[in-house]
Amino acid sequence: AQKVTQAQTEISVVEKEDVTLDCVYETRDTTYYLFWYKQPPSGELVFLIRRNSFDEQNEISGRYSWNFQKSTSSFNFTITASQVVDSAVYFCALSEATYSGAGSYQLTFGKGTKLSVIP
Amino acid sequence: DGGITQSPKYLFRKEGQNVTLSCEQNLNHDAMYWYRQDPGQGLRLIYYSQIVNDFQKGDIAEGYSVSREKKESFPLTVTSAQKNPTAFYLCASTPQGGREYTDTQYFGPGTRLTVL
Repeated sequence: AQKVTQAQTEISVVEKEDVTLDCVYETRDTTYYLFWYKQPPSGELVFLIRRNSFDEQNEISGRYSWNFQKSTSSFNFTITASQVVDSAVYFCALSEATYSGAGSYQLTFGKGTKLSVIP
Repeated sequence: DGGITQSPKYLFRKEGQNVTLSCEQNLNHDAMYWYRQDPGQGLRLIYYSQIVNDFQKGDIAEGYSVSREKKESFPLTVTSAQKNPTAFYLCASTPQGGREYTDTQYFGPGTRLTVL
């Protein structure tokens, strides 16, 4: 069964510090997708990134960067020069290529990491 | 603008009452989903629907019901059989009916349900 672990429940950093959010996953599939979502205090989940299992290149988008390492089953998320607006709960999620048999490819979420950026 | 809307944002219910949460999307997405989120927890799937007039149970369907009469609408009813309904409910949709593992789920703003 697929599983996503976000060991950091809560993190607090001072503005302008860099912070890394960890995500470790378990899957028996060789083909899968990993996602990161941001949930600000308003509640809506905002899609940040999708990465397939065959693409281990790191990705950078502005202050955000993602490090995917299949050898350690990790897909970590780094925010550089954090800002107060980055305060949110961040979720990592996994979708396997194996058809679940229930009619849909299930998306499994970690429990999230609450990031607080202090001014 | 295209997107997913959920209403109401806050909902209060007395014990023993059924209540219906609305989810509407104008993205022309095939599949729609309902998730429940409890404090400090990830999202758990309640129901999903890949096409109109069809839906499937997720991991925690007991005490909930849904309908999919229109492509753009997927209302969730929390029934009196749901023992602990106080939670945050999120609706999502995907373009390809969830038939591709590459599908990205896009979420609405959520409804916070409180049972008094």
